[in-house]
Amino acid sequence: DTGVSQDPRHKITKRGQNVTFRCDPISEHNRLYWYRQTLGQGPEFLTYFQNEAQLEKSRLLSDRFSAERPKGSFSTLEIQRTEQGDSAMYLCASSLDRELGGYTFGSGTRLTVV
Amino acid sequence: AQSVSQHNHHVILSEAASLELGCNYSYGGTVNLFWYVQYPGQHLQLLLKYFSGDPLVKGIKGFEAEFIKSKFSFNLRKPSVQWSDTAEYFCAVILNSGYSTLTFGKGTMLLVSP
Repeated sequence: DTGVSQDPRHKITKRGQNVTFRCDPISEHNRLYWYRQTLGQGPEFLTYFQNEAQLEKSRLLSDRFSAERPKGSFSTLEIQRTEQGDSAMYLCASSLDRELGGYTFGSGTRLTVV
Repeated sequence: AQSVSQHNHHVILSEAASLELGCNYSYGGTVNLFWYVQYPGQHLQLLLKYFSGDPLVKGIKGFEAEFIKSKFSFNLRKPSVQWSDTAEYFCAVILNSGYSTLTFGKGTMLLVSP
């Protein structure tokens, strides 16, 4: 499968713990996006990278959230001191910078904070 | 800030019925419009997109959408739905800028009964 890969698929954690998710985009895609989706809502933008540069962060991304894309390939999203409100599906997508809006999404990581 | 409204959260149709899902956006400038679909257990995928030109765009699997600028709308249509069209449909918009990202609506869950 040469699509966008996300790991893990599911994560259950206790409130207050830190979690880290990984996204492997399509190799030739220079843009990488993180979205969050909760029940009954559409995906909400969190942040995106062009190569290794983080170009935009949503106000949704509190100080407890941090994302990296160190070599312009895979990316990680870390949530520190998780809260129950962080429970959601975290989606990663990638695209070429000329493919405006034509994102390829991964299957997501479902986070449950208990 | 741009936003996207989808009129119906749930739609139930019988096979062979015609489909129209509403989508309105709020942004006065030039936008690019998309419909994404998420089949059960699968990742989000692009159904169709509008950038410019003919306001009637055709996508995969017999879907089409019409951009009506005066109404800020981009409704999705299909003349005859099939059971396999059961999915969640998301309208999305992106500004005509290289540094913009997709903003999604809340989605419409379509259930087609055989």
